[in-house]
Amino acid sequence: EAGVTQFPSHSVIEKGQTVTLRCDPISGHDNLYWYRRVMGKEIKFLLHFVKESKQDESGMPNNRFLAERTGGTYSTLKVQPAELEDSGVYFCASSRGGNSGANVLTFGAGSRLTVL
Amino acid sequence: GQSLEQPSEVTAVEGAIVQINCTYQTSGFYGLSWYQQHDGGAPTFLSYNALDGLEETGRFSSFLSRSDSYGYLLLQELQMKDSASYFCAVYGGATNKLIFGTGTLLAVQP
Repeated sequence: EAGVTQFPSHSVIEKGQTVTLRCDPISGHDNLYWYRRVMGKEIKFLLHFVKESKQDESGMPNNRFLAERTGGTYSTLKVQPAELEDSGVYFCASSRGGNSGANVLTFGAGSRLTVL
Repeated sequence: GQSLEQPSEVTAVEGAIVQINCTYQTSGFYGLSWYQQHDGGAPTFLSYNALDGLEETGRFSSFLSRSDSYGYLLLQELQMKDSASYFCAVYGGATNKLIFGTGTLLAVQP
């Protein structure tokens, strides 16, 4: 099966601009997650979709971040306006249904965002 | 809240054995997972422990002690390709999201 794909792989923008990251999960995976890793720090949870519904968005930093998952397929994460501290690698992951501890996440390769 | 602690860096030589420890604090616990991430790549699943004890998968083993809120990843017969970051992770919180530690950067030297 095809893996989780993310686009773009790398984006360089100026402070104040807008960027939209896209994630295509594995087909049939109801769960879709967004995470962010800032250099040298933990992989920080941002939010979790179950199909098209936001299950948990407690990790979203502020209202400059907007995530959508229309139709329960691909997802977008928009940052508007971008700030310097938004720089990092944004990972998307997907998994099959259920929230048990054995739920294995498949990650994409990430979108590296650099805000200048 | 949830927190996980791991050493930031570990260095070992080819052929050696290395243990990466993880202590966690979480509200609600299903089990402990380990993920590997090579520089610039996607984190990939390595192992999952729901019960106390040791799980072995080839050169990698993972251990869990629920009473001590502690686990470790054991890598044997180290190879250069094992150089990567290793993350422990637990499900926690009201919606059981997967929470990651800060990661341990393993450097395998010849």
